[in-house]
Amino acid sequence: EAGVTQFPSHSVIEKGQTVTLRCDPISGHDNLYWYRRVMGKEIKFLLHFVKESKQDESGMPNNRFLAERTGGTYSTLKVQPAELEDSGVYFCASSRLRTADEQYFGPGTRLTVT
Amino acid sequence: LAKTTQPISMDSYEGQEVNITCSHNNIATNDYITWYQQFPSQGPRFIIQGYKTKVTNEVASLFIPADRKSSTLSLPRVSLSDTAVYYCLVGWGSNAGNMLTFGGGTRLMVKP
Repeated sequence: EAGVTQFPSHSVIEKGQTVTLRCDPISGHDNLYWYRRVMGKEIKFLLHFVKESKQDESGMPNNRFLAERTGGTYSTLKVQPAELEDSGVYFCASSRLRTADEQYFGPGTRLTVT
Repeated sequence: LAKTTQPISMDSYEGQEVNITCSHNNIATNDYITWYQQFPSQGPRFIIQGYKTKVTNEVASLFIPADRKSSTLSLPRVSLSDTAVYYCLVGWGSNAGNMLTFGGGTRLMVKP
């Protein structure tokens, strides 16, 4: 069984540019989550999809972040325009069940905004 | 969501048993206790989950006392490859949402 994959593994962009991160969950996992760790801080939840619907986006920092999951398969997280404080590692995770279920994490995308 | 408190770091030697305790005084009735492991440059990886008493799998045991205000992750006979950050998470109660709330974790260093 293939794990959660994320692309790219590393992205370096300038302030004001746009970046799109992609996450491919494990096949058959309806639940998809985005998290991020900014420098020196803890891993923080961003949002949760159930299939193509946003179940909880309470962790999204502001409207420069847009997440989509068209068709309930892969998901993208777009940052537009990127700011310096957006630098960090963005993790995607997926799970089969909605509650009390193991979440499988991808390796993360390291975003550096200069 | 319940807040967790765990030691910032621990040192051990190969072959020893390591016990990492986590405090979660305001755990809710429906909350589960879950532990994740994270290596550098990787995403967190599920280790074990429990609700009460004791849970054991092929890599660890989880001890939860009756009041559920704390839990202890036990790693038997650690090796150098167990050097990682270990996170204790509490949640998934029916009203708690599905996100994972990570704290600072415990950085375990296993020495030869």
